[in-house]
Amino acid sequence: GAVVSQHPSWVICKSGTSVKIECRSLDFQATTMFWYRQFPKQSLMLMATSNEGSKATYEQGVEKDKFLINHASLTLSTLTVTSAHPEDSSFYICSALLKDRSSYEQYFGPGTRLTVT
Amino acid sequence: GQSLEQPSEVTAVEGAIVQINCTYQTSGFYGLSWYQQHDGGAPTFLSYNALDGLEETGRFSSFLSRSDSYGYLLLQELQMKDSASYFCAVEERRDDKIIFGKGTRLHILP
Repeated sequence: GAVVSQHPSWVICKSGTSVKIECRSLDFQATTMFWYRQFPKQSLMLMATSNEGSKATYEQGVEKDKFLINHASLTLSTLTVTSAHPEDSSFYICSALLKDRSSYEQYFGPGTRLTVT
Repeated sequence: GQSLEQPSEVTAVEGAIVQINCTYQTSGFYGLSWYQQHDGGAPTFLSYNALDGLEETGRFSSFLSRSDSYGYLLLQELQMKDSASYFCAVEERRDDKIIFGKGTRLHILP
């Protein structure tokens, strides 16, 4: 199956700093990628839809100036958490949409665990 | 608004069969997916239903009734490794984002 990677797999940063998380589709091109956040024992909450070459579409309640998304190529989307605070500590997961002529499917990355101290 | 309802926890015995139900209320509907997530890991795709009926993939089956806005995941011959959280997810429009339910934690007893 298709593979999506994320880097880093975990990161610890100090409050007030910024952190960049990369999401790559390794063996296919993805015009659309999604970013999710998951708090412990809760469901995945969609943060934004990232489209290659255009601005991301953010879900209601997600601050676009705090969570910067860049989808500069067909295989890479990045999420930057700016001025991180302890409440931003969470598990961040991306997914990439694989489309062919007959079907499509979302493939998830392994996730990035962010801890803000 | 959008809502997906599934039980928060289910307990079953190793070797048994368990069914996890999901009812949904969304502005649009294109398909229903099921995902498995182990603690600390990312979700992995299990099955997808766009049409009414049963889809079978090995020990896992998924059912959809569009008229009832209802689906379920059936797990047979349960194994300890099946202990995980299971999420139903609705795709409102083709090639669009998917909305996840809150998840069902499956506990398996030996």
